[in-house]
Amino acid sequence: GAVVSQHPSWVICKSGTSVKIECRSLDFQATTMFWYRQFPKQSLMLMATSNEGSKATYEQGVEKDKFLINHASLTLSTLTVTSAHPEDSSFYICSARMGFWTDTQYFGPGTRLTVL
Amino acid sequence: AQSVAQPEDQVNVAEGNPLTVKCTYSVSGNPYLFWYVQYPNRGLQFLLKYITGDNLVKGSYGFEAEFNKSQTSFHLKKPSALVSDSALYFCAVQHGSSNTGKLIFGQGTTLQVKP
Repeated sequence: GAVVSQHPSWVICKSGTSVKIECRSLDFQATTMFWYRQFPKQSLMLMATSNEGSKATYEQGVEKDKFLINHASLTLSTLTVTSAHPEDSSFYICSARMGFWTDTQYFGPGTRLTVL
Repeated sequence: AQSVAQPEDQVNVAEGNPLTVKCTYSVSGNPYLFWYVQYPNRGLQFLLKYITGDNLVKGSYGFEAEFNKSQTSFHLKKPSALVSDSALYFCAVQHGSSNTGKLIFGQGTTLQVKP
């Protein structure tokens, strides 16, 4: 149980275009989803916290107009990278948890974004 | 400020030997501590967590971790390493009184198990 999927697993796009990444909890309802960014051989950096039906909470330094997050249902959150540039190239990972407090976060397999 | 430190970038161990991956933390109040493993180009897999109770926590794939409050440590251990354990390991802490669920990750430790 507690499986989280991401789609696509990798994407290549041209500079200036927008890319949407989906994060789904397959066998549980996720009250909260998180979006992380990971650079090669580095740790995960939390970008934003997404609660179903409400606006996402962005971490300091993360541009909310550039990284649009929508948490439309208890099983789906999307991250849209708008007007992507090469510096947005990274590994994006989502996670989901069932409830609050001590609940474990379960991570998706990640999406590799390359902006040309 | 909350923080997690994994002092070793890489740990090398021979197959069959015990392994330890170190983690220390700094957080006010009661910490919730987690270990995750990441294989190349994959997301993180949950190994184990400490919330309360016994200081020795057992998790997936034969891993365990010991919570030491006085030393503010939560080292990951396994009695007998396998080559397939080779991966990137992350320690993470969540503030115990926060319901935001935010995790602070350590910088990661690469475990290399040699046959």
